[in-house]
Amino acid sequence: NAGVTQTPKFQVLKTGQSMTLQCAQDMNHEYMSWYRQDPGMGLRLIHYSVGAGITDQGEVPNGYNVSRSTTEDFPLRLLSAAPSQTSVYFCASSSGLAGGPNTQYFGPGTRLTVL
Amino acid sequence: DAKTTQPNSMESNEEEPVHLPCNHSTISGTDYIHWYRQLPSQGPEYVIHGLTSNVNNRMASLAIAEDRKSSTLILHRATLRDAAVYYCILRTGANSKLTFGKGITLSVRP
Repeated sequence: NAGVTQTPKFQVLKTGQSMTLQCAQDMNHEYMSWYRQDPGMGLRLIHYSVGAGITDQGEVPNGYNVSRSTTEDFPLRLLSAAPSQTSVYFCASSSGLAGGPNTQYFGPGTRLTVL
Repeated sequence: DAKTTQPNSMESNEEEPVHLPCNHSTISGTDYIHWYRQLPSQGPEYVIHGLTSNVNNRMASLAIAEDRKSSTLILHRATLRDAAVYYCILRTGANSKLTFGKGITLSVRP
């Protein structure tokens, strides 16, 4: 199993540009989520999905869109990049819908810089 | 969501045990206690979790206070590779979200 994969690893954008961060998992997990991590900070939840066709907002959803057409993929779209979106983005997946004992598996991250 | 409180940082010597504390005085009966760690420039990785009883796995042990208002992650023999930020997180049965605080930064001296 490859686990959770993310592409690209690094990206530099200009203000106003759009792009999609890719995330895929091969563990047949229903739950997937996107986090951002700013320097010296913990992770903050952007969006999450509890299954194909179902998404919901997390703590910091503004400026980001998601969709979930398959169980495996959960792309994150930046509509019009802003310098405040400079961050490291992590995708994660988890088996099961509820929290409790279920553990999350994280991807290696995408380091995004917006100029 | 119930909150957790951790010290900002801790230092340890290589090959010595490390005890990382976490306070969670507002924990509810359905909250699981999870620990994740994040090595430099990597994504977080799961370490261990528990509900009421102490837990052991190949990475660490989790000691949970009888009243569940605090817990301690125990690394039995710290290695240089264990230098990371360790997050103590409460996760309820009805909430799929993981809420990360700032964690505790563990430094390991050779």
